[in-house]
Amino acid sequence: EPEVTQTPSHQVTQMGQEVILRCVPISNHLYFYWYRQILGQKVEFLVSFYNNEISEKSEIFDDQFSVERPDGSNFTLKIRSTKLEDSAMYFCASAVQETQYFGPGTRLLVL
Amino acid sequence: AQSVTQPDIHITVSEGASLELRCNYSYGATPYLFWYVQSPGQGLQLLLKYFSGDTLVQGIKGFEAEFKRSQSSFNLRKPSVHWSDAAEYFCAVALGDNTDKLIFGTGTRLQVFP
Repeated sequence: EPEVTQTPSHQVTQMGQEVILRCVPISNHLYFYWYRQILGQKVEFLVSFYNNEISEKSEIFDDQFSVERPDGSNFTLKIRSTKLEDSAMYFCASAVQETQYFGPGTRLLVL
Repeated sequence: AQSVTQPDIHITVSEGASLELRCNYSYGATPYLFWYVQSPGQGLQLLLKYFSGDTLVQGIKGFEAEFKRSQSSFNLRKPSVHWSDAAEYFCAVALGDNTDKLIFGTGTRLQVFP
């Protein structure tokens, strides 16, 4: 069964550094999403992406964040200058229509 | 305010016992409703979903959920819990259309004793 994959599974970075989180959505899916889950808290929506542009973004998704679908398969989330509060599990999801399928997540730790 | 509420933060049951996890939403219209499960260190796996039609929906792993419009609820049930069901369970809704962002509840952590 097709799955959403994410790399890396874990990333440790220094505050102020740039990180790129990578996702490979399910191949025939058209809608792509990033969510995050700070430890012990609920899953929060960051951004949705369709037809090569952002459909919607949350208040969390400020100018430090960007998303890109550089080729036909990858979907990336970039954080330009990480802050301590960016430490979280980041989930990618994709959907062909009504159901979002999630990847295993990337745990980001900002020191 | 619009919200998804899971009133039970932590539930403990014995293996073989029945289970009901509560979810209530507070929105003007009926949203699209989902239950996801997150095992320790894992991602989110879809258990079941409700869009319309029959208000009792069946999912994977023997779970079912019932949509009750009058109570704005979408409770998850399982008649006999297995130790492997220990995980965190999230109720989620999508508001605008079926490709809209998901809004999650705070989750219920299920512990299963042998």
